[in-house]
Amino acid sequence: EAGVAQSPRYKIIEKRQSVAFWCNPISGHATLYWYQQILGQGPKLLIQFQNNGVVDDSQLPKDRFSAERLKGVDSTLKIQPAKLEDSAVYLCASSMGTSGDEQYFGPGTRLTVT
Amino acid sequence: AQKITQTQPGMFVQEKEAVTLDCTYDTSDQSYGLFWYKQPSSGEMIFLIYQGSYDEQNATEGRYSLNFQKARKSANLVISASQLGDSAMYFCGTQGGSEKLVFGKGTKLTVNP
Repeated sequence: EAGVAQSPRYKIIEKRQSVAFWCNPISGHATLYWYQQILGQGPKLLIQFQNNGVVDDSQLPKDRFSAERLKGVDSTLKIQPAKLEDSAVYLCASSMGTSGDEQYFGPGTRLTVT
Repeated sequence: AQKITQTQPGMFVQEKEAVTLDCTYDTSDQSYGLFWYKQPSSGEMIFLIYQGSYDEQNATEGRYSLNFQKARKSANLVISASQLGDSAMYFCGTQGGSEKLVFGKGTKLTVNP
């Protein structure tokens, strides 16, 4: 079974530029998550989709971050414009259901904003 | 609101010995789950073990066991017979009801040969 795929693995941009990350979850998983992991901290949920609907985006900085999950499969996370404090690893995860289900994580995208 | 506290920034253990990684949690949910994930230097989060708040027995998965003490709000991870490949960051997390999964700051485990 293929795992969660993410691209790119690494990205370096200048502040005020825009960037997009892509995630392909495990086939059949209804729930998709985007997490932000700042160095030295645990992952923090940015947004959770169930199929193509948003379940929780309470911690998503909506003035600059956006995410979509078209057709309930792949998802993209965009940052525009980027700030220095956005430097982090962005992890995508998926699960069969929601609460209590094991989440399977992708390898992450390491973003550096200069 | 949920909160996870991992008080050990770093831990060292000799190969083949057992090690306990501490985790305390705070939640207002009556029903919740506790998770442990491993994050090697490659960056991917790997699920290790899950404990439900109403599970009467401590969860075990191979060399991993979760020492769940509900009254103390403690969910420590015990790794038996440590291996060099166990060197990684370990994150404790909690999720209740329809709440999001919240992680602690993690513990860096180093296994010495």
